[in-house]
Amino acid sequence: DAGITQSPRHKVTETGTPVTLRCHQTENHRYMYWYRQDPGHGLRLIHYSYGVKDTDKGEVSDGYSVSRSKTEDFLLTLESATSSQTSVYFCAIRRAGVDTGELFFGEGSRLTVL
Amino acid sequence: SQQGEEDPQALSIQEGENATMNCSYKTSINNLQWYRQNSGRGLVHLILIRSNEREKHSGRLRVTLDTSKKSSSLLITASRAADTASYFCATSDSNYQLIWGAGTKLIIKP
Repeated sequence: DAGITQSPRHKVTETGTPVTLRCHQTENHRYMYWYRQDPGHGLRLIHYSYGVKDTDKGEVSDGYSVSRSKTEDFLLTLESATSSQTSVYFCAIRRAGVDTGELFFGEGSRLTVL
Repeated sequence: SQQGEEDPQALSIQEGENATMNCSYKTSINNLQWYRQNSGRGLVHLILIRSNEREKHSGRLRVTLDTSKKSSSLLITASRAADTASYFCATSDSNYQLIWGAGTKLIIKP
């Protein structure tokens, strides 16, 4: 257990509304990731962070923004949600000192955009 | 883009049998990792094999890696009902970025 908490765990919203998902970690790890998981696609990287205020885009970053003002929190924002963003979102961390890229995941946030 | 491709997409076996899943990838890798995901849960790391390794064991898990064929296999021996889950391979490059396959759904029948 890497002390990762995602909130909310479930959310239903309407097209065009803003949505923010939060990932909170208790172990002070530098690297944090946001993925989305859709049937038939495995996991796809949205954004990642390598430190406070240091973020970078993944392969499916369009329509998403992130912020990391504190080490422990990594926020994913959908500025104007669309139905194509209906998905399960996972936050993950990479532990400091582990140089293999192994990730530890939160339990996921299921987002439905109507 | 999807790097790893698992095969088969779904597998149903009797409890006690061995389960084998395969993963193929396209580019050079630093290591390859296998994860398990129980329904409705997050992914859990199972085992990692480095590009210079050919085989690795962890309990009932055995992973092989053939870099010449760009493929890996995960063998679960003496399967149990609790092994029912989806299994994903992920390849890691030198920057530790993971690229994921679409997964194999494993069902263990009692």
